[in-house]
Amino acid sequence: ELKVEQNPLFLSMQEGKNYTIYCNYSTTSDRLYWYRQDPGKSLESLFVLLSNGAVKQEGRLMASLDTKARLSTLHITAAVHDLSATYFCAVDRGGSNYKLTFGKGTLLTVNP
Amino acid sequence: NAGVTQTPKFQVLKTGQSMTLQCAQDMNHEYMSWYRQDPGMGLRLIHYSVGAGITDQGEVPNGYNVSRSTTEDFPLRLLSAAPSQTSVYFCASSYSTGVSYEQYFGPGTRLTVT
Repeated sequence: ELKVEQNPLFLSMQEGKNYTIYCNYSTTSDRLYWYRQDPGKSLESLFVLLSNGAVKQEGRLMASLDTKARLSTLHITAAVHDLSATYFCAVDRGGSNYKLTFGKGTLLTVNP
Repeated sequence: NAGVTQTPKFQVLKTGQSMTLQCAQDMNHEYMSWYRQDPGMGLRLIHYSVGAGITDQGEVPNGYNVSRSTTEDFPLRLLSAAPSQTSVYFCASSYSTGVSYEQYFGPGTRLTVT
């Protein structure tokens, strides 16, 4: 059974600080997805990491994938209040992008 | 393009009632999926479809039926609603892998079963 674990589940940061969210998964998978969800809203795709060593950056967010360690990280640089949201990682099941297994999510709060 | 649309946005049912959650996409995506989101649980896959006429079970299929008669529509039916089915339901669609790996999520349906 594929398991996806995120940590921390809750993260309170000050503006301007850096932090990393970790996503571990239990079985072999080459694709890792990061989503953002604002309260009461749907999921917004942030990154799709397709292979070992993949790194993608958008603004203050950078995601990386190490398939050998079964680990992805989402690094936040110089956090701003607008980044406050819940962040989910998800992994393909059986190499199929229509069967994702999600982590429980990380609730990020960025304080002024 | 409207993307992925879901109706209704909110619904309250009584235990034992049945209903259908609607999902439609106008992107000609082959793949469609239904997930439920419960507090502290992330999203869990209910059913999915790889094309018209083809569906299969996900992680938590009990109490739900699906069918896919057209590429555009993928309704989710609750046969006899139970309080445990109180949740937010998201429909998603995607291209076949190798074209694009991104899943597009609908706005969600918030269901309460009393």
